[in-house]
Amino acid sequence: DADVTQTPRNRITKTGKRIMLECSQTKGHDRMYWYRQDPGLGLRLIYYSFDVKDINKGEISDGYSVSRQAQAKFSLSLESAIPNQTALYFCATEPGQGYTHTQYFGPGTRLTVL
Amino acid sequence: AQKVTQAQTEISVVEKEDVTLDCVYETRDTTYYLFWYKQPPSGELVFLIRRNSFDEQNEISGRYSWNFQKSTSSFNFTITASQVVDSAVYFCALAGLGGQNFVFGPGTRLSVLP
Repeated sequence: DADVTQTPRNRITKTGKRIMLECSQTKGHDRMYWYRQDPGLGLRLIYYSFDVKDINKGEISDGYSVSRQAQAKFSLSLESAIPNQTALYFCATEPGQGYTHTQYFGPGTRLTVL
Repeated sequence: AQKVTQAQTEISVVEKEDVTLDCVYETRDTTYYLFWYKQPPSGELVFLIRRNSFDEQNEISGRYSWNFQKSTSSFNFTITASQVVDSAVYFCALAGLGGQNFVFGPGTRLSVLP
């Protein structure tokens, strides 16, 4: 089984709808991240969490919110989706100890907002 | 601010050719980490290598090799005897001491033709 899973893998929705993307991990890592990927821009950080009680905004947090329900779960919400949020979304995890700074990515969620 | 530049947007080579993907970075941190990730057509992100700023030794792993030069702020990736399965988008990334400083380059799309 995959260490980092994301659900759904694909989602098409309409402008104004609320959407939740979920991420689960079995790696036992403390740190979790949400990124979006747009063509030609690489990955940009939306939110990150270093433990269950820690939530931090990334580079492009406007229009998004997150919830760290447990060490293993980190959800990303779009409260009112808009077309320019159409992108590929990745969840990532990182060990909290040892400062490896190596992030392990989920398979991605392709979101289309019409 | 940290920045990663991958000047080559797309590269095409014929199978068995050697190819080098360039990565130039900017950071004010004295301690930092450099990474390469591979994104095959299936979309997942695969971790390839991590290098810390104190270790300038080149590394070789099978057909892959990496050349880290602090003097030119570069961390280039060479694939020897390329294969069709190497076709993917390759991302260079830079991390400072905190997770919020994980910055990706825009990626280089490599196409290896049979």
